[in-house]
Amino acid sequence: DAGITQSPRHKVTETGTPVTLRCHQTENHRYMYWYRQDPGHGLRLIHYSYGVKDTDKGEVSDGYSVSRSKTEDFLLTLESATSSQTSVYFCAIRGTSGDYEQYFGPGTRLTVT
Amino acid sequence: QQQVKQSPQSLIVQKGGISIINCAYENTAFDYFPWYQQFPGKGPALLIAIRPDVSEKKEGRFTISFNKSAKQFSLHIMDSQPGDSATYFCAASIGGAQKLVFGQGTRLTINP
Repeated sequence: DAGITQSPRHKVTETGTPVTLRCHQTENHRYMYWYRQDPGHGLRLIHYSYGVKDTDKGEVSDGYSVSRSKTEDFLLTLESATSSQTSVYFCAIRGTSGDYEQYFGPGTRLTVT
Repeated sequence: QQQVKQSPQSLIVQKGGISIINCAYENTAFDYFPWYQQFPGKGPALLIAIRPDVSEKKEGRFTISFNKSAKQFSLHIMDSQPGDSATYFCAASIGGAQKLVFGQGTRLTINP
């Protein structure tokens, strides 16, 4: 699992409430990513980070914000959750050798009711 | 905009057979093409990857074939086993930031 943990692993929340998902890594990787997985869409990049306080948007960033105040933690926030944000969220890190492969965490299943 | 198209959506293969999953891409700037395997309730796991300067890469029973002119690449699983039953995703990215663009996924079932 490349030393990646995600919390919480499951969450049910109501429309309009704020939600923060946490990704934690233990191996000092520079690049971290947030993807969402939905049936028929594969995985889609939400935001990524290339260092502390350095972040950029991905393919489906609307409605999401991120923060990275220290190397090991990358937070994904839904400011006001909507039902369309019901999904499985995966964090990934980019390795530091070879082809710089991405390794994924175990995922967080979020349900917005 | 789907930049990587994957087919088929689902595939059933008999044990010992060859499983073939295909992907097509649009952006010729893509320079890295990984395949991921995902079991239910787990995160995707990197299986094998290729860069466009080679036409084929083999790791054990898994082979990627790459056709740059056709903008297509495929995953071949030889001697398919029930333990290979999973969902497979192709992906592509450009440069060091590695913002992966994924195909829609293929659910592979290997019948014993």
